[in-house]
Amino acid sequence: NAGVTQTPKFQVLKTGQSMTLQCAQDMNHEYMSWYRQDPGMGLRLIHYSVGAGITDQGEVPNGYNVSRSTTEDFPLRLLSAAPSQTSVYFCASTPAGWNSPLHFGNGTRLTVT
Amino acid sequence: AQSVTQLDSHVSVSEGTPVLLRCNYSSSYSPSLFWYVQHPNKGLQLLLKYTSAATLVKGINGFEAEFKKSETSFHLTKPSAHMSDAAEYFCVVSEPAGGSYIPTFGRGTSLIVHP
Repeated sequence: NAGVTQTPKFQVLKTGQSMTLQCAQDMNHEYMSWYRQDPGMGLRLIHYSVGAGITDQGEVPNGYNVSRSTTEDFPLRLLSAAPSQTSVYFCASTPAGWNSPLHFGNGTRLTVT
Repeated sequence: AQSVTQLDSHVSVSEGTPVLLRCNYSSSYSPSLFWYVQHPNKGLQLLLKYTSAATLVKGINGFEAEFKKSETSFHLTKPSAHMSDAAEYFCVVSEPAGGSYIPTFGRGTSLIVHP
């Protein structure tokens, strides 16, 4: 059972470039979400999805897009990378709602120069 | 509205001594509370969760936490620290939000274990 898989593990971008961070889960979870982790800030929610075809913004959505065409996949797109987007990104999923624990991927470490 | 405060950014203990990581929360409902652990260069792993059953919750690796509504606290403890416990720990609060799911993370406590 793979759980939540994120690719790539590391990425370096130049300012203005775009890219997609991939996230896939094989647990048939309805809820999926993207977080960014910065030193001393904990995890901040970027976007989330409560099911295929439904997405919504979290705390820090600017500069990021998401889509949810299938239950399994929830890619995160950086439209025009900025140095402020240098961070570690985590994808998470959960089978149900607010009282269920999150299952996390191992993260993508992104550096924007 | 929900919020969570981890009272210490760093906690340093010696191996074999007790661990206490403090977490206070605020919630308009009866929340669910979680503790996650993150080892270096890894994702977060669930340690334990409270969801309105027993107030003393036992988790993995000998950790436990006690839900105290009167004090709005959910402190994490372990009787005897091990070197492998050195990691970042996150307290998380979650409450019903009309079909959405937006848990709030604390800023984390780094646990340092000295030999």
